[in-house]
Amino acid sequence: QKEVEQDPGPLSVPEGAIVSLNCTYSNSAFQYFMWYRQYSRKGPELLMYTYSSGNKEDGRFTAQVDKSSKYISLFIRDSQPSDSATYLCAMEGSSNYQLIWGAGTKLIIKP
Amino acid sequence: GAGVSQSPRYKVAKRGQDVALRCDPISGHVSLFWYQQALGQGPEFLTYFQNEAQLDKSGLPSDRFFAERPEGSVSTLKIQRTQQEDSAVYLCASSLNTGELFFGEGSRLTVL
Repeated sequence: QKEVEQDPGPLSVPEGAIVSLNCTYSNSAFQYFMWYRQYSRKGPELLMYTYSSGNKEDGRFTAQVDKSSKYISLFIRDSQPSDSATYLCAMEGSSNYQLIWGAGTKLIIKP
Repeated sequence: GAGVSQSPRYKVAKRGQDVALRCDPISGHVSLFWYQQALGQGPEFLTYFQNEAQLDKSGLPSDRFFAERPEGSVSTLKIQRTQQEDSAVYLCASSLNTGELFFGEGSRLTVL
């Protein structure tokens, strides 16, 4: 079993819908949680960064961490076709530099 | 340029050939990472440099993989005697220290 599990999708939703993307993890020592967006044939770019449990909002994006359930979520409101990409969750492991990544969920927003 | 630059963007190699992939990080970034990303998977850690020192190479899959950053700036990932299982996108990322990672666009290696 992988340390971080993420449904690969694809997840296809109509423009304007609320999108929910999720990851589960097994290591209770994880403290830092990140969401990266990766467009096709590009490198990942950081979207959201959260420490420990709680919510964080940035524009149309909300990141949520539930450490008791070992579950993290990314919500996208008013989704746009430009949001179509692969979304990767990542967590900071035992070192302060090595990230453990999910496999990524491919998101398609239909106009 | 302002971002992380990687070259070549695409490389086709015959099995058994040696390849070298170059990464030019953002100026002033102390930390540099190499990741391997297979199709449909997340990045897998290969190695980490702080300036010219290679602090962690635990993710390198075999002794055919070698990375260097001799002057603490540009880094090269070398793969000797390439095998088909080496086919992947190789991502380079840099950061000021251990903060946000900035990724390049990757070098896509195909081994025939």
